Amino acid sequence: DTAVSQTPKYLVTQMGNDKSIKCEQNLGHDTMYWYKQDSKKFLKIMFSYNNKELIINETVPNRFSPKSPDKAHLNLHINSLELGDSAVYFCASSRENRRQETQYFGPGTRLLVL
Amino acid sequence: GIQVEQSPPDLILQEGANSTLRCNFSDSVNNLQWFHQNPWGQLINLFYIPSGTKQNGRLSATTVATERYSLLYISSSQTTDSGVYFCVLPPSGGYQKVTFGTGTKLQVIP
Repeated sequence: DTAVSQTPKYLVTQMGNDKSIKCEQNLGHDTMYWYKQDSKKFLKIMFSYNNKELIINETVPNRFSPKSPDKAHLNLHINSLELGDSAVYFCASSRENRRQETQYFGPGTRLLVL
Repeated sequence: GIQVEQSPPDLILQEGANSTLRCNFSDSVNNLQWFHQNPWGQLINLFYIPSGTKQNGRLSATTVATERYSLLYISSSQTTDSGVYFCVLPPSGGYQKVTFGTGTKLQVIP
């Protein structure tokens, strides 16, 4: 059973398109995250939701909009895709948004914008 | 915000060798995790280690929070240890941000 799953695994699209990446966790966790990993392997947090409420919103363009329909899902919608959006996007979850909580990561979605 | 730096940035080891990876952070923290990102991109949690020492097989980690560093020891390295190792500061108290270190890229050659 997959703990944190993401779809799609690979996404190749044209500049200017709108796309969504979905994330689901079956761990019963309250907190979910989106990270972006750039070509230099540096991971940056983008968003964090706790019980469907946004708690972290880093400096991310408005074209990125997270949506959490319920505790188990955190989707990422990207409008007007740009070349610089090409990266690997990781979803993660933890039991709570506090200390002593291990984060569990999904397999990643590799986005390539042409 | 807190800065997290790892050293060395790159490391090549012969299979069977031992190594120590270091993580320095700029402020006091209450927790710290080590992750391994394998060559297939998967992020795997290794340790949650806010202080003290933990061991798991050939890997062990030590965090000295008062001196603001953590060490990851890999003994008898294997080719499957290759990948990037990150230290991560999860949310702590009122500080909500999750901070990843700069990473150490390890290549173990046969």
